[in-house]
Amino acid sequence: DAKTTQPNSMESNEEEPVHLPCNHSTISGTDYIHWYRQLPSQGPEYVIHGLTSNVNNRMASLAIAEDRKSSTLILHRATLRDAAVYYCIFGYGGSQGNLIFGKGTKLSVKP
Amino acid sequence: NAGVTQTPKFQVLKTGQSMTLQCAQDMNHEYMSWYRQDPGMGLRLIHYSVGAGITDQGEVPNGYNVSRSTTEDFPLRLLSAAPSQTSVYFCASSLYSGLSYEQYFGPGTRLTVT
Repeated sequence: DAKTTQPNSMESNEEEPVHLPCNHSTISGTDYIHWYRQLPSQGPEYVIHGLTSNVNNRMASLAIAEDRKSSTLILHRATLRDAAVYYCIFGYGGSQGNLIFGKGTKLSVKP
Repeated sequence: NAGVTQTPKFQVLKTGQSMTLQCAQDMNHEYMSWYRQDPGMGLRLIHYSVGAGITDQGEVPNGYNVSRSTTEDFPLRLLSAAPSQTSVYFCASSLYSGLSYEQYFGPGTRLTVT
């Protein structure tokens, strides 16, 4: 199984940056790193994914360590709407690669 | 695009009843999958499909059947419902299989088996 290690929970203040860490020490060279989030009572929502280089999109940034054994999801300015469970997942980029979810990090955002 | 749609939103079944959870996507995605999420847990993969006519088992397939006769639809059938199948079910799709593509999730079906 593609196993990641994430903190169970984190807290942030509104409008401050948030750095969510993830360890994936068993990752292989063809594995992509994905981040999804799940707001209360909703389905998971794609946030960002990457292979080797750091990635940016309108929602967040993904910083991948040089050895690829860890990564950090960066929310540049947390809002109350960012309160969710964040899942870090890695898996094979080719066919037969499936998302295997762990328990994720529950992010709380204080006003 | 409507994205990924699921029906019904809520369902209550008695033990032993059967039913089909519907999932449809209008993005012409080849890959579709079903997950279940129990309270306080992450999602677990039930079945997936890499294209019309092709399905395979995930982590927790027992008690569920799937078929994929069209690209758009991927129904999940509960053959004989059991209380252990009380859960929230999510359908997802992506352009192709493999994690080089982002996946889109439906809003979920909340199922209770009494």
